[in-house]
Amino acid sequence: KNEVEQSPQNLTAQEGEFITINCSYSVGISALHWLQQHPGGGIVSLFMLSSGKKKHGRLIATINIQEKHSSLHITASHPRDSAVYICAAAVYAGGTSYGKLTFGQGTILTVHP
Amino acid sequence: NAGVTQTPKFRVLKTGQSMTLLCAQDMNHEYMYWYRQDPGMGLRLIHYSVGEGTTAKGEVPDGYNVSRLKKQNFLLGLESAAPSQTSVYFCASSYLRGAPGNEQYFGPGTRLTVT
Repeated sequence: KNEVEQSPQNLTAQEGEFITINCSYSVGISALHWLQQHPGGGIVSLFMLSSGKKKHGRLIATINIQEKHSSLHITASHPRDSAVYICAAAVYAGGTSYGKLTFGQGTILTVHP
Repeated sequence: NAGVTQTPKFRVLKTGQSMTLLCAQDMNHEYMYWYRQDPGMGLRLIHYSVGEGTTAKGEVPDGYNVSRLKKQNFLLGLESAAPSQTSVYFCASSYLRGAPGNEQYFGPGTRLTVT
């Protein structure tokens, strides 16, 4: 079993729909990252959170430390949101993890106009 | 700022050939990482560095070597390429000393094919 699991693996939506991508992890973490990878291949960091909720534009990320679960929400989805969304756990390793990340396999999101 | 850059963007090698991938960052970050991304596998850490002159093994280090002689550069070497090393390689950097957070910044990737 992977230490970081994402669901769903593939997600298709119509423009305007509310989207949720889930991430569960089985290890102690110091932070949870959400990344976006566009078809061209570039990877961009969307959020880094260790508690609560963060919002940036139409994107919202939440984390529940007790349940070891995080969600990424996209409100009013748009075709330009089509990308692979990756969650990654900065695994707590005592003193410091030096920022090393353990990645989920990614969720492929396609938003149709 | 250019952020994180990688050279080259594409490369085709024959089995047994060697090459070096260069990663450079201009953000004065302490930590640098090399990942490989394969279909269905997600990103996996090859090697990382926590500062100039230091390197450490990640999850899949076999067949690769690294060096960090200068803080801004992190080199990934393949001494004798194998078809199993066909992948997309990403470099990343993080951690500005004295600044909060540890967000990782990724380079554009290098697509390597070994025939």
